[in-house]
Amino acid sequence: GQQVMQIPQYQHVQEGEDFTTYCNSSTTLSNIQWYKQRPGGHPVFLIQLVKSGEVKKQKRLTFQFGEAKKNSSLHITATQTTDVGTYFCAGPFSGGYQKVTFGTGTKLQVIP
Amino acid sequence: DTGVSQDPRHKITKRGQNVTFRCDPISEHNRLYWYRQTLGQGPEFLTYFQNEAQLEKSRLLSDRFSAERPKGSFSTLEIQRTEQGDSAMYLCASSPDGFLPYEQYFGPGTRLTVT
Repeated sequence: GQQVMQIPQYQHVQEGEDFTTYCNSSTTLSNIQWYKQRPGGHPVFLIQLVKSGEVKKQKRLTFQFGEAKKNSSLHITATQTTDVGTYFCAGPFSGGYQKVTFGTGTKLQVIP
Repeated sequence: DTGVSQDPRHKITKRGQNVTFRCDPISEHNRLYWYRQTLGQGPEFLTYFQNEAQLEKSRLLSDRFSAERPKGSFSTLEIQRTEQGDSAMYLCASSPDGFLPYEQYFGPGTRLTVT
């Protein structure tokens, strides 16, 4: 079936280090969304990428959408303790209309 | 507070009982989604409404699950004859209308425990 995998599953970094999570889909995505879920909280929307090869930045966060629209990445520069949480990519498969499939998530722990 | 609200926040029920959850989306949002999330996993799509019409439903959803959005505003999710495997966080999200899915605003969720 259609799957969205993320690597790594877990990442521990020292505060100030960079962090990257990779999202890989088994089939082409119409667009890609990224969400952050804090421990005990609910997913919070970060950004949406629509175009092939698109790159967007939000302060220390850089998001990329692959040329083939089957992969994406989130890079955080100089992590802070406030970055702790699980990061999910999500997107509808082409032709999947509004059904959004979430990735497996990457749990980030930042060591002060 | 104009965010998505869900009620109840926690529900403990015995196996075999029926449960119903409610979701109130952001008022101007036409789209409403239900997800199920278990520990350590990403949200799993259950169903989607465009106004009052249920347009998509997961094939994983058994006949014991039903959802409604009668007036295109709030929505309910009912689980009949609950099983222990139904224990999870049930999340509701809403989003604005558009050709592609827009950002989803999630509610706090209802945590269901089936004993």
